[in-house]
Order: sequence, then structure tokens, then C-alpha cells
Amino acid sequence: SQQGEEDPQALSIQEGENATMNCSYKTSINNLQWYRQNSGRGLVHLILIRSNEREKHSGRLRVTLDTSKKSSSLLITASRAADTASYFCAIDSGTYKYIFGTGTRLKVLA
Amino acid sequence: GAVVSQHPSWVICKSGTSVKIECRSLDFQATTMFWYRQFPKQSLMLMATSNEGSKATYEQGVEKDKFLINHASLTLSTLTVTSAHPEDSSFYICSARDPRGEPQHFGDGTRLSIL
Repeated sequence: SQQGEEDPQALSIQEGENATMNCSYKTSINNLQWYRQNSGRGLVHLILIRSNEREKHSGRLRVTLDTSKKSSSLLITASRAADTASYFCAIDSGTYKYIFGTGTRLKVLA
Repeated sequence: GAVVSQHPSWVICKSGTSVKIECRSLDFQATTMFWYRQFPKQSLMLMATSNEGSKATYEQGVEKDKFLINHASLTLSTLTVTSAHPEDSSFYICSARDPRGEPQHFGDGTRLSIL
């Protein structure tokens, strides 16, 4: 069963704006990861954040993790048309099985 | 470059056919691989955990006789969709656990279309 709920389900923004998507989960975690998926394609790994970390950065990406609220957020700054994709969080509760969130479909308008 | 190779990337076949999908780890030995299924505009659903040298562990609701998994070597897991029907049409993705550490590595997926 899905353990990650993401919101919003869909997001449409103008190029240059920031995009924020959130992931909430139900169990304790070992780590949480964010992936991007272009339509009909495979997954691209973005960031892994461990349960003892609160924030990580990678280029224009910023991920936060609040284990007390069982939630994580992904911020994409200065978005580009090429960022248009679906974004998924994936939760590892320590069993190495990744349980994916419901996903956010991001559209960046040029 | 890719560290997990999935083949084929796309297959179309007639109803009743069995289809085999391969997942290979290219530069590491993977004792554990995972198979996911994704319907259009939906998330990835974990189907089963493939363990080298032992039986696969299936998630609740996944028919093990329908989706046969074999992990006969440390670099290869196969998923066979037996007697496929149109409702089995989906995007299937594998991942392999790298013993050197996280994250897991995903294949590029196989789009299966059953006519």
C-alpha cells in the first residue's frame, strides 16, 4: 500500500518561479528520497535525505525533512521548462523496499 | 552510464502470451532486486522483492503465479508475466540494491502492451 502522500497532485507555474511539493508518510523511516520521472521514462534520482538529517541541497534543489511531522518537502528554485516532469518521494523504512508517494505532476510554462 | 539495464524497453504481444523482462546490474552484485508496476499517471507500486538464490517475496495482492520472478545470479533477475492479458499492460520497472550503499539503481523500465 502507498505510504507516501504527496501534494499538490499537480502544479503549474511560470518559468523562473519556485516549485514546492510535499510528501507525508506514516511510518518511521531510514531515509527518504526524491525522484523525477519524465513522461513514459525511467526514474532519475534527485536527493537522498537520511532520518537524522533535516535539510539537503543539490544545485537548485532543496529538500527538508521533519520526522516529527512525518513530512518532507522538495523545493525547486528558478524553475525551467525542462523541470516539467512528475516528482515522487520514496520511503525506505529500513527494509530497503522503497514505497513511493502518489507523485506531483509539475508543469513549467515557458 | 546506466548501472542497471532493463530489457526489453518496449514489448507488444498478443493476449495469452508469456513475456519475460530482464533486469541486470552492470557493475555490482545485487543480492536483492525489486520489481515495480506503474499505470499511466499513477505512482510506482512495489510488486515483489527478488532475492538471489531464494524465492521472491510478493506484496499483498500480487499474484505470484501470474508474475514469476527468478533471481538465479547475482546480476540478473527476471520477471515473467504469464498468460498476459490486456489488463497486464503497464510500465514495469526494476531496481537493484547496491551493497556499496544507497540509493538503489533503477532500470529504465519496460512498457508492456497486450493486445
